[in-house]
Amino acid sequence: AQSVAQPEDQVNVAEGNPLTVKCTYSVSGNPYLFWYVQYPNRGLQFLLKYITGDNLVKGSYGFEAEFNKSQTSFHLKKPSALVSDSALYFCAVRTSGNTGKLIFGQGTTLQVKP
Amino acid sequence: NAGVTQTPKFQVLKTGQSMTLQCAQDMNHEYMSWYRQDPGMGLRLIHYSVGAGITDQGEVPNGYNVSRSTTEDFPLRLLSAAPSQTSVYFCASSRRGDSTDTQYFGPGTRLTVL
Repeated sequence: AQSVAQPEDQVNVAEGNPLTVKCTYSVSGNPYLFWYVQYPNRGLQFLLKYITGDNLVKGSYGFEAEFNKSQTSFHLKKPSALVSDSALYFCAVRTSGNTGKLIFGQGTTLQVKP
Repeated sequence: NAGVTQTPKFQVLKTGQSMTLQCAQDMNHEYMSWYRQDPGMGLRLIHYSVGAGITDQGEVPNGYNVSRSTTEDFPLRLLSAAPSQTSVYFCASSRRGDSTDTQYFGPGTRLTVL
């Protein structure tokens, strides 16, 4: 069965420091991985995705994610956090042949303090 | 483009009442889906559609019906609301149902069933 795990319910980081939000996955076949962000009382916004190629994927708002096949991870990173980055972050996975179905992690709340 | 729109934004129902959550997209996307979001559980797929006239069940379909008579619209029906259906509902669409496609989400409908 396919699954995604976000091991941290909440991540706290000081503004200006680097941030990492962790994601691990379990799929059969090639994974297609996505990160979404949800601001309070808003829908999900697409940040970035890994399909194939370079393991380091760059996305919106200065975020990037590193695909690691051996560790089955897809951690979200940003070199310098902003207070406005505070939000709920979701990792999700799809596989080839799994038409349309996104499997989401449970979400990680990022708190960036001034 | 308005993207993915959902109505209403908020709704309160009594147990046993029925209602329809509306979802529309103006991007000519073939694939549309409905998710529900519950605390600590991420988003779970309810139903999806790969094109007009074609629908299929997701992870948690019980208690919900869908239809897809046009490319633009994908309404979600609750025939007899139950308190367990209290949740935030998100509609999403993507160009195709391919695993590499990015799904775009609407702003959500917050439903409370008393």
